[in-house]
Amino acid sequence: GQQVMQIPQYQHVQEGEDFTTYCNSSTTLSNIQWYKQRPGGHPVFLIQLVKSGEVKKQKRLTFQFGEAKKNSSLHITATQTTDVGTYFCAGTDKFYFGSGTKLNVKP
Amino acid sequence: DAGVTQSPTHLIKTRGQHVTLRCSPISGHKSVSWYQQVLGQGPQFIFQYYEKEERGRGNFPDRFSARQFPNYSSELNVNALLLGDSALYLCASSLGDGAYGYTFGSGTRLTVV
Repeated sequence: GQQVMQIPQYQHVQEGEDFTTYCNSSTTLSNIQWYKQRPGGHPVFLIQLVKSGEVKKQKRLTFQFGEAKKNSSLHITATQTTDVGTYFCAGTDKFYFGSGTKLNVKP
Repeated sequence: DAGVTQSPTHLIKTRGQHVTLRCSPISGHKSVSWYQQVLGQGPQFIFQYYEKEERGRGNFPDRFSARQFPNYSSELNVNALLLGDSALYLCASSLGDGAYGYTFGSGTRLTVV
């Protein structure tokens, strides 16, 4: 079945540093969604990518979908303490979530 | 507008018992999905319902069942509870195929003792 892997599992950065999490699928995805889950909270939808090679930006966040539609990345520029949380990708064909990358930002 | 509401928020059950979790989607959302999230892991897909029909099922045993009602609310039932069923159970609703994302409820924290 479809598997979605994310790396790294954890990332600790100093405030102001950049952060990137990578998502890899064993199968081609129709589209991919990204979610953020704050500690003690529930996943919150960030964005959906549909097209091969698509790049979308939301302020300091940049999302990319690979040409083969089997991988994706989320890049945060100049992290802030409000970015703390776990970031999940999810392939919506069968709606499998990745294992998540937990981001900790030190002030 | 209210978001996705789940009840109860917390629950403690004994091994072997059964449990029913409830979810009310955002008004106008016809799709409801259920997930199990164990601490430190990503949500695991259990079921998806759309227009009262099951559209997908994850790799969970038959002890897990669900249904969607005419008002699009949903119930998740788990029979013969095991200690390993202790988790946060999340419900998410969406417009149709989820192209605008899934909106999650705050979840039900189930503890099996």
